[in-house]
Amino acid sequence: KAGVTQTPRYLIKTRGQQVTLSCSPISGHRSVSWYQQTPGQGLQFLFEYFSETQRNKGNFPGRFSGRQFSNSRSEMNVSTLELGDSALYLCASSVYPKGTDTQYFGPGTRLTVL
Amino acid sequence: TQLLEQSPQFLSIQEGENLTVYCNSSSVFSSLQWYRQEPGEGPVLLVTVVTGGEVKKLKRLTFQFGDARKDSSLHITAAQPGDTGLYLCAGEGAADSWGKLQFGAGTQVVVTP
Repeated sequence: KAGVTQTPRYLIKTRGQQVTLSCSPISGHRSVSWYQQTPGQGLQFLFEYFSETQRNKGNFPGRFSGRQFSNSRSEMNVSTLELGDSALYLCASSVYPKGTDTQYFGPGTRLTVL
Repeated sequence: TQLLEQSPQFLSIQEGENLTVYCNSSSVFSSLQWYRQEPGEGPVLLVTVVTGGEVKKLKRLTFQFGDARKDSSLHITAAQPGDTGLYLCAGEGAADSWGKLQFGAGTQVVVTP
């Protein structure tokens, strides 16, 4: 079974631009969560989607948004990029977003904002 | 603000030595997970503990969940260079935090031959 895939793997943008990242969960998984990983803050939860609905959101500004499609694939968008948005963005999928359900992480998208 | 405190932040040991990583919180978690992450990759789940006092073993790795479900430890026996990586603990809180894991800052482990 294929793992979680994220595209693109690497991205370089400049301040003020916007970016869209994509995540394809493992087949059969309906929950997708997004995390931001930085050296200073570690892994921080962005949001979680299940059945095309955002059910949980972390403490990030409204510039960060996402959506989930009927096939469970998810995208996240960051508008008006800032230097501090440089990070590894990880998505994780699970069959159902319960604590005992394993979250499988993708390899991440490394975003660099210049 | 990290609700999960991991210690130590960095650990460098020789092959064959033992090591323990700690994960502490003032909050109660319904479950706690340990991950290992290697450079350029996403975290890979090692174990999930759910019951207070639970002990799980995975070959040379032993995981323990505190009785009050607020803390956990990871012990590696006879460490090998392949154990090198960033070890992360992550907890899930109340039922309405589905899909949301709170991560510790991580412990970077380096095992030298």
